[in-house]
Amino acid sequence: TQLLEQSPQFLSIQEGENLTVYCNSSSVFSSLQWYRQEPGEGPVLLVTVVTGGEVKKLKRLTFQFGDARKDSSLHITAAQPGDTGLYLCAGAEDGNQFYFGTGTSLTVIP
Amino acid sequence: NAGVTQTPKFQVLKTGQSMTLQCAQDMNHEYMSWYRQDPGMGLRLIHYSVGAGITDQGEVPNGYNVSRSTTEDFPLRLLSAAPSQTSVYFCASSYAGAYEQYFGPGTRLTVT
Repeated sequence: TQLLEQSPQFLSIQEGENLTVYCNSSSVFSSLQWYRQEPGEGPVLLVTVVTGGEVKKLKRLTFQFGDARKDSSLHITAAQPGDTGLYLCAGAEDGNQFYFGTGTSLTVIP
Repeated sequence: NAGVTQTPKFQVLKTGQSMTLQCAQDMNHEYMSWYRQDPGMGLRLIHYSVGAGITDQGEVPNGYNVSRSTTEDFPLRLLSAAPSQTSVYFCASSYAGAYEQYFGPGTRLTVT
């Protein structure tokens, strides 16, 4: 079983602070996705990265795929209460099987 | 546009009972999948399907059966529920080969 480890597992910060969430694996993936999940709902896709070293920006969120395509990071600048949620990374090998990370629960305090 | 729908929202079963979790999508997606979500373990793939009549096992298939008779529907069957199957179950769909999966709202199952 391939496992994507995320760190930290829990994160509580003040509004306006910056944070980084990490997603690491010993396996190589053809693509990596980041999802956000709110309580009582299913995950919603934020971004997909497919090229080693790729960096994507989505407003205050910056996503990076490691050069070896085994790891990724999510950086949030000036966090807002609306960023609160569970962040999940997911790696795909062949487009049919997706392996999800263990999740990072983020709380942004106003 | 309903997207991915799941029923029921909540379910309590006794050990040994059987039930079917329903999943339907109206986006004409070829790929559908079932995950279970447990605290500290993220989402784990149970079964998936790349089209009607085609299913395959994921990471944790034991205790679950699936079938795909139509493009729209992908039910998950628990033949003899066990307390270890207490979890939140999510159905997802996507176009074949696409990275983005669309998830349903989930079914919270408790087995006593």
